[in-house]
Amino acid sequence: DMKVTQMPRYLIKRMGENVLLECGQDMSHETMYWYRQDPGLGLQLIYISYDVDSNSEGDIPKGYRVSRKKREHFSLILDSAKTNQTSVYFCASRPQWEQYFGPGTRLTVL
Amino acid sequence: QQKVQQSPESLIVPEGGMASLNCTFSDRNSQYFWWYRQHSGEGPKALMSIFSNGDKKEGRFTAHLNKASLHVSLHIKDSQPSDSALYFCAVTPGDSNYQLIWGSGTKLIIKP
Repeated sequence: DMKVTQMPRYLIKRMGENVLLECGQDMSHETMYWYRQDPGLGLQLIYISYDVDSNSEGDIPKGYRVSRKKREHFSLILDSAKTNQTSVYFCASRPQWEQYFGPGTRLTVL
Repeated sequence: QQKVQQSPESLIVPEGGMASLNCTFSDRNSQYFWWYRQHSGEGPKALMSIFSNGDKKEGRFTAHLNKASLHVSLHIKDSQPSDSALYFCAVTPGDSNYQLIWGSGTKLIIKP
């Protein structure tokens, strides 16, 4: 059964601190995504990864970067977090057409 | 960029009733159309997809696509309290198989 994991599930940081969100999938899927979800805005694509070290910006990449050194693992990094990056972040993995989502990380930047 | 708009923003339906959710898109070259459901505290999960004009039925759920009118809808028959969730319409644009363009969601509440 397809499983996408995210760590941590909840995170509180102060403005200016660095943030690392981690995502894993157990099926060696090539394509993975990072989204953020804010009330009334749906899901906004931050980055898409087509495979190891093959990443593209999504619609809102500013203030974020990603790392994918192993196919099973995709990280989202916020260098010097800002209060407007408070949100719920979702990782997704795509075997063929359907995207499978993790449970999300709720990030609060104070 | 393509726009995907959903209506209504929220919907209350009595248990056992029919829920109808609507979605319009702007790109006539869109390829695939998805409905995702998100229960509170969880990630979205795909309900069903449709890519040909007409109806597609899966159990209590029926999706309808009309590309000419740029419209896709989801109908839930015999609604159950467990159907209470946030429903997203998502569209694969004509120029990319990898991305989905998401609507802002419809919050469905099923009242027992």
